[in-house]
Amino acid sequence: EDQVTQSPEALRLQEGESSSLNCSYTVSGLRGLFWYRQDPGKGPEFLFTLYSAGEEKEKERLKATLTKKESFLHITAPKPEDSATYLCAVQAQSQGAQKLVFGQGTRLTINP
Amino acid sequence: DTEVTQTPKHLVMGMTNKKSLKCEQHMGHRAMYWYKQKAKKPPELMFVYSYEKLSINESVPSRFSPECPNSSLLNLHLHALQPEDSALYLCASSQGTGGADTQYFGPGTRLTVL
Repeated sequence: EDQVTQSPEALRLQEGESSSLNCSYTVSGLRGLFWYRQDPGKGPEFLFTLYSAGEEKEKERLKATLTKKESFLHITAPKPEDSATYLCAVQAQSQGAQKLVFGQGTRLTINP
Repeated sequence: DTEVTQTPKHLVMGMTNKKSLKCEQHMGHRAMYWYKQKAKKPPELMFVYSYEKLSINESVPSRFSPECPNSSLLNLHLHALQPEDSALYLCASSQGTGGADTQYFGPGTRLTVL
């Protein structure tokens, strides 16, 4: 069964304190891995799509990496506005082209 | 532009009411989705339309009825809902091609069923 596990469930950091969020997955054929940011009461905001192991993508203070078993979202020198829930999702060949398997998310809080 | 719009932003309805949620995208995407999201949970897929045809129904109760009038519009008709149906309803769209297909989400409609 395709599965996505995110850790930690919640993370509190001080402003400027860099860290990483983890997304471990088991799928029977990965089409793509996606990272989203979600603010309370709003829709998920697309951040990155990763297609194959070894791929890396960056956007401002965020950098996403992918291996054959997991993905990391690295946050460098975060600011309070980076506080949000970060969702990881995979698109697996077994699920069909249009189904995403989501992790439970990591709730990130950046204290000033 | 990767914008998906949803109306209304908030909706309060009684269990005997009939209402509709609307979603629109102008990115030329051919796949559109409805998700339901409860607090502190990830989005849960309800329906997928591909090229204006219903391709996935995740065993959703018949009190939820989707409609895709054209390639840019997606509706969700609601009737005789239960209080447990209160949630954030999200629309998303994607190109609908094979391979990795990035989904772009709208801002959601916060539904409260009394």
